[in-house]
Amino acid sequence: QKEVEQDPGPLSVPEGAIVSLNCTYSNSAFQYFMWYRQYSRKGPELLMYTYSSGNKEDGRFTAQVDKSSKYISLFIRDSQPSDSATYLCAIWGSSASKIIFGSGTRLSIRP
Amino acid sequence: NAGVTQTPKFQVLKTGQSMTLQCAQDMNHNSMYWYRQDPGMGLRLIYYSASEGTTDKGEVPNGYNVSRLNKREFSLRLESAAPSQTSVYFCASQEGANYGYTFGSGTRLTVV
Repeated sequence: QKEVEQDPGPLSVPEGAIVSLNCTYSNSAFQYFMWYRQYSRKGPELLMYTYSSGNKEDGRFTAQVDKSSKYISLFIRDSQPSDSATYLCAIWGSSASKIIFGSGTRLSIRP
Repeated sequence: NAGVTQTPKFQVLKTGQSMTLQCAQDMNHNSMYWYRQDPGMGLRLIYYSASEGTTDKGEVPNGYNVSRLNKREFSLRLESAAPSQTSVYFCASQEGANYGYTFGSGTRLTVV
């Protein structure tokens, strides 16, 4: 079983829709949860970083963590064509020496 | 402030040739990482360096070597390139244990 599972997509939605991207993880020791955005032919960039269960909001983006279910989500409100990218979830725990990445979900926002 | 700089951006090698991918960061970060990214495989860790003077193997180290030349620079060497090493290579750095990674823009390597 992979430590982080992420649906690869692709996911295509119309502009203005609410997007939900999700990951599950297997080890309850993980404490830090991140979302990276990767545009085509670019490196991943850190989008959201959260430590605790619950929601963290930043503009149109909301990161949600449910530690009891080992489930993390990224919601994008009022999606724009510029949000078209691959989104990678990532997790880290104090017992691990490095961040573990999901395989990424490719998202396309149709104008 | 350049962040993480990778060179070259593109490279084509013949099987058996060697080359070194260069990575430099100007953020005074302690930890540096090399990943490869392949379709359907996500990011796979090749080697990492938790601090200057130390290096450790990641998930897929075979066929690669690394050098942490100083705090700024972390290079990845392919001694005898193979077609299976065709990939996009990313270097990343990290300020500290509770921080995310900053990635470079990648090197697209094709081995023919």
